[in-house]
Amino acid sequence: GIQVEQSPPDLILQEGANSTLRCNFSDSVNNLQWFHQNPWGQLINLFYIPSGTKQNGRLSATTVATERYSLLYISSSQTTDSGVYFCAVVVGGTSYGKLTFGQGTILTVHP
Amino acid sequence: ETGVTQSPTHLIKTRGQQVTLRCSSQSGHNTVSWYQQALGQGPQFIFQYYREEENGRGNFPPRFSGLQFPNYSSELNVNALELDDSALYLCASSQVGQHNEKLFFGSGTQLSVL
Repeated sequence: GIQVEQSPPDLILQEGANSTLRCNFSDSVNNLQWFHQNPWGQLINLFYIPSGTKQNGRLSATTVATERYSLLYISSSQTTDSGVYFCAVVVGGTSYGKLTFGQGTILTVHP
Repeated sequence: ETGVTQSPTHLIKTRGQQVTLRCSSQSGHNTVSWYQQALGQGPQFIFQYYREEENGRGNFPPRFSGLQFPNYSSELNVNALELDDSALYLCASSQVGQHNEKLFFGSGTQLSVL
């Protein structure tokens, strides 16, 4: 099956710093989403981005499908950004809800 | 934003027992998926339901089964519980046919098997 690798596994920042999270995937995909899991376990959908670039406030994401990677940018980080960030993909031709998740990046933002 | 609700939030069972977890999809969504998340891992796909039929299954044994009802709510049933079934169980809903195939997750049910 498809492999989804996220880096770095852990990231510690001071409030106000910027960061880049990376997601590499081993096969072509027709669906890629970024999620933030807060300390209470809630998975929040940040972006649906199978290709191209999107921005939402301090967050932006870019997917280069031909090179099989996606990047999540967090600018001016805040303590509320802490949690685990997951990249998840759907391989072309499979059912829509069958996301394959990476192992996540654990982000800790200190005040 | 998410309107996906799950119940119960926490559950403790003993090995060999059976459990039923429930999920109400976000309004307007016709597809529900279930995921298992072990501690420190990413969620793993169990199965998906569309129009009350299973439509895709991950690498889980048959003792994991599900139902989707006409109102798009769903149940996950696990028989003959094992210790390794202890995990956070997440339900997600989406609307098939939309160009933007985003999944929206509930807060999960934390299952502990003793």
